[in-house]
This record gives sequence, structure tokens and C-alpha cells, in this order.
Amino acid sequence: GAVVSQHPSWVICKSGTSVKIECRSLDFQATTMFWYRQFPKQSLMLMATSNEGSKATYEQGVEKDKFLINHASLTLSTLTVTSAHPEDSSFYICSARKPGLAGVGEQYFGPGTRLTVT
Amino acid sequence: SQKIEQNSEALNIQEGKTATLTCNYTNYSPAYLQWYRQDPGRGPVFLLLIRENEKEKRKERLKVTFDTTLKQSLFHITASQPADSATYLCARAGGSQGNLIFGKGTKLSVKP
Repeated sequence: GAVVSQHPSWVICKSGTSVKIECRSLDFQATTMFWYRQFPKQSLMLMATSNEGSKATYEQGVEKDKFLINHASLTLSTLTVTSAHPEDSSFYICSARKPGLAGVGEQYFGPGTRLTVT
Repeated sequence: SQKIEQNSEALNIQEGKTATLTCNYTNYSPAYLQWYRQDPGRGPVFLLLIRENEKEKRKERLKVTFDTTLKQSLFHITASQPADSATYLCARAGGSQGNLIFGKGTKLSVKP
């Protein structure tokens, strides 16, 4: 299988501050990574699609100025939650699709980052 | 709207029995469906993918079926063990870039 890591695994921040979450594909290059959010007892909801070297594509209802995504290399995508508020508290999970699985195939998920905004 | 649904929030079974989880879809015909396992506080882990032209797929104690008439996929775990306790997610392709759309998941508890 392939390995995707996330850092940090959990973070507590004060309201109004910004938090950066890193997602790395450790043993493969990922031109596309995805950022999901999961609230308690809910399923994963796609926030945005991160493409290496270009702008991210955001899902409807997700504020691109609040959730900044940077995919600067083939192994790293970052999500920055700017001016965080308590309602942003959630479990953020990234995933990457391994190249070669044309259009279809499993995704490899990071372990997730638990964000708590106080 | 296109929906993917896992109607059972939770399933409790005895160790050694077969667990059967259901995933239904409406208003579209997916080319494939995927099943993932998610443990508390962790990201999902891929288990199986089944295409619409495959009726059944197996991996060790896991079996997935795809019934295009019933618009349903069933996920079976045979000889279940307490270590199989987790939330199991059904997913379909969401868009051209490969994102996934997940069902709400079924939390399986296997009692010793």
C-alpha cells in the first residue's frame, strides 16, 4: 500500500488564530490530493481538491479565503484554517490517489488532524 | 439527487458470526463502489473496490457484492472477530478528479 501522513495529529488553538495542517505522501508522488472534513458521527465531506502547481478546487459552501490550500510539491499539500472559530473544530483528513490508477482506484488517507478551536 | 446511503447506523453481532452491511444508491448508476474501514480518530483504510460488472469480490474474510438491479452493495465479514469492530464506509466516485462521496457509515461491534 501507500502511506500518507498528516501533521499535526491534533491541535488546539484560540479563536481568531490560524492553523496549518500538512499532508504528505511518503512513498509516492500525488498530483492530486483531497481534503475532507468529518464532524462527530458524520461521514467525510469533501472540502477541496488540491492540484500540484495550480489552484485548489473548492466544494460549494467552503470558503476558499478561510481554508487556504497549497500544493507546492508532488508530495505535500497544506491546509491553513485562517481566523479559526469554534465551529471550525472538526476532524480534517487528507487523501491522495496514487498515479497510474486511471480514473478509478482506491485512495490513501492520512490519519487525520483533530482541530479544536477554543 | 444522487445518493449513497448506509441505512444502519450500528450493527452488533457475536464473534464468529457473519456481519452483513448494506449500501444503497439512488438516482444514478455508479461504475464502481468502494468499501473502507475507519477506526475512531483515524483516517479511512481502503478494503475493497467492486465494479458494476462484477457481481462479487473477495479478500480473505471479506466479501463484497454489487447488485445493479437492487441498486445495492453488500459487505460481508465472515467469522467475525472483536478486532473487526470499526465503522465501515461505502463510497462512490464523486467527480472527474477522483474524489469520493461517502455514506454515513455503519458502526460494527463484534462481541466476544
